[in-house]
Amino acid sequence: DTAVSQTPKYLVTQMGNDKSIKCEQNLGHDTMYWYKQDSKKFLKIMFSYNNKELIINETVPNRFSPKSPDKAHLNLHINSLELGDSAVYFCASSQDQLGGVETQYFGPGTRLLVL
Amino acid sequence: AQSVSQHNHHVILSEAASLELGCNYSYGGTVNLFWYVQYPGQHLQLLLKYFSGDPLVKGIKGFEAEFIKSKFSFNLRKPSVQWSDTAEYFCAVNAKAAGNKLTFGGGTRVLVKP
Repeated sequence: DTAVSQTPKYLVTQMGNDKSIKCEQNLGHDTMYWYKQDSKKFLKIMFSYNNKELIINETVPNRFSPKSPDKAHLNLHINSLELGDSAVYFCASSQDQLGGVETQYFGPGTRLLVL
Repeated sequence: AQSVSQHNHHVILSEAASLELGCNYSYGGTVNLFWYVQYPGQHLQLLLKYFSGDPLVKGIKGFEAEFIKSKFSFNLRKPSVQWSDTAEYFCAVNAKAAGNKLTFGGGTRVLVKP
């Protein structure tokens, strides 16, 4: 059983399109995250939700909008995709609210390529 | 300035060689420290973590790391690497001073030649 799953695994799309990436965790965790890993492999947090409430919102363009229908899901919707959005997006989850003390478990990543 | 630094971007070594990857951070106060590994085409997996207690931490697959508070370091070591240790290694720090967000270093790509 995959603890943190993401769909799709690969996403190739044109500039200007709107796309969504889904994330689900079956660990019963309270907190979920989205990270962006750029071409230089730098991992940076984008958002964090605890029990469907936004906890962390880094300096991310408002074209990116996370949505958490329940605490097991955190989806990422991206409007008007740009070339610079090309990256690998990782979802993660952890048990605690603050998101740091407990271990974060990562999904397999979604490789987004914007043409 | 980067708050979590991994000085080696690429490391190439032969099987059975010893590995040490450096990690330094710039936060004061209480920190929680992690090493994650990303095998080719796979997701991040936790190797080991330090919260408190013995500063020498044992992880999976024969890895260990030592927290040296005075040096703000958490270096990863393995005495004898295998070809299957080829991967990208990420140090990560959670610090109250950074708003309790997990901050990653830039990663070190390790290639083990058979």
